[in-house]
Amino acid sequence: GEDVEQSLFLSVREGDSSVINCTYTDSSSTYLYWYKQEPGAGLQLLTYIFSNMDMKQDQRLTVLLNKKDKHLSLRIADTQTGDSAIYFCAERFSGGYNKLIFGAGTRLAVHP
Amino acid sequence: EAGVAQSPRYKIIEKRQSVAFWCNPISGHATLYWYQQILGQGPKLLIQFQNNGVVDDSQLPKDRFSAERLKGVDSTLKIQPAKLEDSAVYLCASSPSSNEQYFGPGTRLTVT
Repeated sequence: GEDVEQSLFLSVREGDSSVINCTYTDSSSTYLYWYKQEPGAGLQLLTYIFSNMDMKQDQRLTVLLNKKDKHLSLRIADTQTGDSAIYFCAERFSGGYNKLIFGAGTRLAVHP
Repeated sequence: EAGVAQSPRYKIIEKRQSVAFWCNPISGHATLYWYQQILGQGPKLLIQFQNNGVVDDSQLPKDRFSAERLKGVDSTLKIQPAKLEDSAVYLCASSPSSNEQYFGPGTRLTVT
């Protein structure tokens, strides 16, 4: 099946860490992605992780992958007001030609 | 490097009218995607082109939607006739490889 689930909303204080969680269903997915969408804009690719990895770090972003539980998380260190946006998790579906299946997105609100 | 270009950015039409969207992918990207993003949801793939051939159109409502990619570069997506439930943001993305997709700013369609 094709399904990606995320919590809809997260509120954090500026300077704290944010953790956005995602679960997916396709155990054969080879890549998992995090995209950011700001109001009125398209999706910006933040990072992605290959399924044979457990963790990937890129500056303030840390991606953790638990293949056994089909769970993906994105940690943003030292969250800033500019990080306020909707974050989408996506899996590259093994049954299609690089087809991406997106979750509904998590709205991150950063307050002072 | 210029990003994915889309036009128009906004379009308002009445139901049963026709509408067309245009996409210019990043230069050299062989794969082009059209996604539909309904408010509050993640993007859903409508159609995928590899050069000027269709590789996946399983989610495209073919009774009213059509798309073409002439000469393997620009693409147009058409809706004829439009329904109220077609109100959404239509996103175009392109990819140089199987790992990454880069999105344009989208066209927001409102059907009244």
